[in-house]
Amino acid sequence: DAKTTQPNSMESNEEEPVHLPCNHSTISGTDYIHWYRQLPSQGPEYVIHGLTSNVNNRMASLAIAEDRKSSTLILHRATLRDAAVYYCILASPNDMRFGAGTRLTVKP
Amino acid sequence: GAVVSQHPSRVICKSGTSVKIECRSLDFQATTMFWYRQFPKKSLMLMATSNEGSKATYEQGVEKDKFLINHASLTLSTLTVTSAHPEDSSFYICSASGRAIYEQYFGPGTRLTVT
Repeated sequence: DAKTTQPNSMESNEEEPVHLPCNHSTISGTDYIHWYRQLPSQGPEYVIHGLTSNVNNRMASLAIAEDRKSSTLILHRATLRDAAVYYCILASPNDMRFGAGTRLTVKP
Repeated sequence: GAVVSQHPSRVICKSGTSVKIECRSLDFQATTMFWYRQFPKKSLMLMATSNEGSKATYEQGVEKDKFLINHASLTLSTLTVTSAHPEDSSFYICSASGRAIYEQYFGPGTRLTVT
């Protein structure tokens, strides 16, 4: 069973920021928080990961709550190519289960 | 990032035959590989976890005699769907992990159609 909860879908306008939430109240001390996204008929693409501190990379930012029970993926300026299903996953060495994910629609 | 390949990308087979799908990590040693299946408009469902040189650990409800997984080397894992039936038609995806769990890379997937 997935250990994360995400909204089924979200919409954004092009060039606006998007905040994708994820709840993971049962996170353990050694779980990493990973985000992936998937386009139709493709394998998931790595977006970002973190453990305790907020993280930034060229694709996105990851804001992690102080108690680590939730996190938010931030796309600073959504583009049409960012339309995908976004998955938040709690990762441990032998466990990489996907939840239902959030389908992000970006409107021009 | 690291590259994981899958072969074939698409396969059509007749009911009752077996199909082998290969997953290769091209530029790193994958100590752990995961196999998933995905139905249309659904999320990825973890089928099994395999560590190099040991037997795969299957998720509940996944038949290990039907979905044979071999992880014989640090760069190759194979999934064999035995005696395939139309209900086995799905998108099969592998991922490979290096020594650190955050080194997790997914293959492009294999679309299996059983007629």
